[in-house]
Amino acid sequence: DSGVTQTPKHLITATGQRVTLRCSPRSGDLSVYWYQQSLDQGLQFLIQYYNGEERAKGNILERFSAQQFPDLHSELNLSSLELGDSALYFCASSVARGPTTGELFFGEGSRLTVL
Amino acid sequence: AQRVTQPEKLLSVFKGAPVELKCNYSYSGSPELFWYVQYSRQRLQLLLRHISRESIKGFTADLNKGETSFHLKKPFAQEEDSAMYYCALSAGSSNTGKLIFGQGTTLQVKP
Repeated sequence: DSGVTQTPKHLITATGQRVTLRCSPRSGDLSVYWYQQSLDQGLQFLIQYYNGEERAKGNILERFSAQQFPDLHSELNLSSLELGDSALYFCASSVARGPTTGELFFGEGSRLTVL
Repeated sequence: AQRVTQPEKLLSVFKGAPVELKCNYSYSGSPELFWYVQYSRQRLQLLLRHISRESIKGFTADLNKGETSFHLKKPFAQEEDSAMYYCALSAGSSNTGKLIFGQGTTLQVKP
């Protein structure tokens, strides 16, 4: 499958812990986006990287951080986890710098449950 | 503040009936608007974008700057249109990635 790949698909952890979500973009895509979808919430934009550099930032908590590596995969690190961090985290990729010039292709999401 | 509002969480219609999924936005600049769709057990995917002025799967959407709306319409709904629909706004220059989504509307087309 040459689409956007996210791992793990499901993750259960405890409050106070730290987790890392991984995203591999489509082949050739340089932009990676991260979104959070909580219960009854829409998709909340967290952050975007383009070719290794941060391009746009949303309401990402200070406990969260992300990076894009030279091979263009990205990781979203969530630390000091709280119950409210339980959500579906989506990664999307695009060949372009921004959504107006390139369609976003989404992964299947990583479902995080914090107990 | 930039915001996208989809007032209906669920829209249920019968097959063959017209469909209108509402989307209103709040943005002081020049907006770029999109509709994304998620069918059952599939990934979220782009349906259409306003700059293309295209019709995809019979759906159209017109940007109305006066009413700050970008409603999605289809004259005759089909059962395969049942899905979750998200309206999205690109805020900022084309070089930024801030794509803001509404909360989504579930369209249920009954036979």
